[in-house]
Amino acid sequence: GQNIDQPTEMTATEGAIVQINCTYQTSGFNGLFWYQQHAGEAPTFLSYNVLDGLEEKGRFSSFLSRSKGYSYLLLKELQMKDSASYLCAVREGRLDSNYQLIWGAGTKLIIKP
Amino acid sequence: NAGVMQNPRHLVRRRGQEARLRCSPMKGHSHVYWYRQLPEEGLKFMVYLQKENIIDESGMPKERFSAEFPKEGPSILRIQQVVRGDSAAYFCASSPSSGFGETQYFGPGTRLLVL
Repeated sequence: GQNIDQPTEMTATEGAIVQINCTYQTSGFNGLFWYQQHAGEAPTFLSYNVLDGLEEKGRFSSFLSRSKGYSYLLLKELQMKDSASYLCAVREGRLDSNYQLIWGAGTKLIIKP
Repeated sequence: NAGVMQNPRHLVRRRGQEARLRCSPMKGHSHVYWYRQLPEEGLKFMVYLQKENIIDESGMPKERFSAEFPKEGPSILRIQQVVRGDSAAYFCASSPSSGFGETQYFGPGTRLLVL
């Protein structure tokens, strides 16, 4: 079956570092996405990983291990505006669902001063 | 360069009425995806369309729901005879192609409330 797991909620302090984990079990794998979604707004694209390793983009980095079915999003130098939900999504590899993203429920990140 | 546009942003309907949600993809994008999101839950795929074609509607209920993406004009998600359980945020996303790694860009969503 298909399953994407993320922690429901995390709390961190302004200026600190936080790591949001995502584990997945899907029929196949053709890439993993991280999106940020502020309350009441649309999801916005953060990162895409298809090969193992770390992708760094400013304060945000994303890591993937395909053999472990595991990814994390690392946020550094946290700012209050980083308070949002972070969604992990996996593109399946089945021929009949090549277009579908399977979404986790999201991790609500709360930043405290 | 306008992003993905959706309207209306908020829609209130009484049970049994019809809801019609519109989505205009980003300029140059010919692939449209519709998702539903309940509060505190993840996005659920509903349907994937290209111009004039439904490619995958496996996530869309077979009754009361329909979608189209005509040659001219926006994509439409239509819900007939709405029920309270249809209350949710409906997001549209678009991409220039369906290749691996192609990013989907989301619109602001339509929040449907069924009374």
